[in-house]
Amino acid sequence: QLQESGPGLVKPSQTLSLTCTVSGSSIHNGNYYWTWIRHHPGGGLEWIGYIYYDGNTYFNPSLKSRLTMSIDTSENQFSLNLIFVTAADTAVYYCARCPIPGYFDYWGQGAPVTVSS
Amino acid sequence: QSALTQPASVSGSPGQSITISCTGTASDVGTYKLVSWYQHHPGKVPKLMIYEDDKRPSGVSFRFSGSKSGNTASLTISGLQAEDEADYYCCSYGGRFNWLFGGGTKLTVL
Repeated sequence: QLQESGPGLVKPSQTLSLTCTVSGSSIHNGNYYWTWIRHHPGGGLEWIGYIYYDGNTYFNPSLKSRLTMSIDTSENQFSLNLIFVTAADTAVYYCARCPIPGYFDYWGQGAPVTVSS
Repeated sequence: QSALTQPASVSGSPGQSITISCTGTASDVGTYKLVSWYQHHPGKVPKLMIYEDDKRPSGVSFRFSGSKSGNTASLTISGLQAEDEADYYCCSYGGRFNWLFGGGTKLTVL
């Protein structure tokens, strides 16, 4: 199971921070990438990026300049930070597990995030 | 604009079969055997239905099948049921550690 946590409201130009807590699967398992995906209101899904257990990260080129991810294997958690957010970053943010080579088999419940002053 | 092109909507009657297309390019769908399909009921968690073009995860009905020809992947649902009504998204590896989703297709069961 995966569970997202973080604030549901972020002001424009500030930083969006979310954490995903994983249970039932070790985040230290080298068979998976740990992923963030978002769903824009009325729109489609967008892959944000993922992180490997060793800390290597891979990002959507369109978000790369504003994005960082981290992983805490002791807590079985991984996190996302997106800086300088705008209304276009309003979405439901999902964390998901990605077995190598690639698909998304388990998803969190989703964390709705609104960017508004 | 999404990287992969899907029809905005499809519909069918119970018992019928429908196919949802997902068109990419030779750099993504046409190169990698890494197309997956997700069913999304609004307000629920997206569910993996097909992975690696045509593999079905354990627990997914045999009525769901995936295929690919050239740069276009397809999801076919046979024996349509009311519970199949949902949004469906395709996804493909795009190379250089980038993943692409389609814009989604709304399936209506008439």
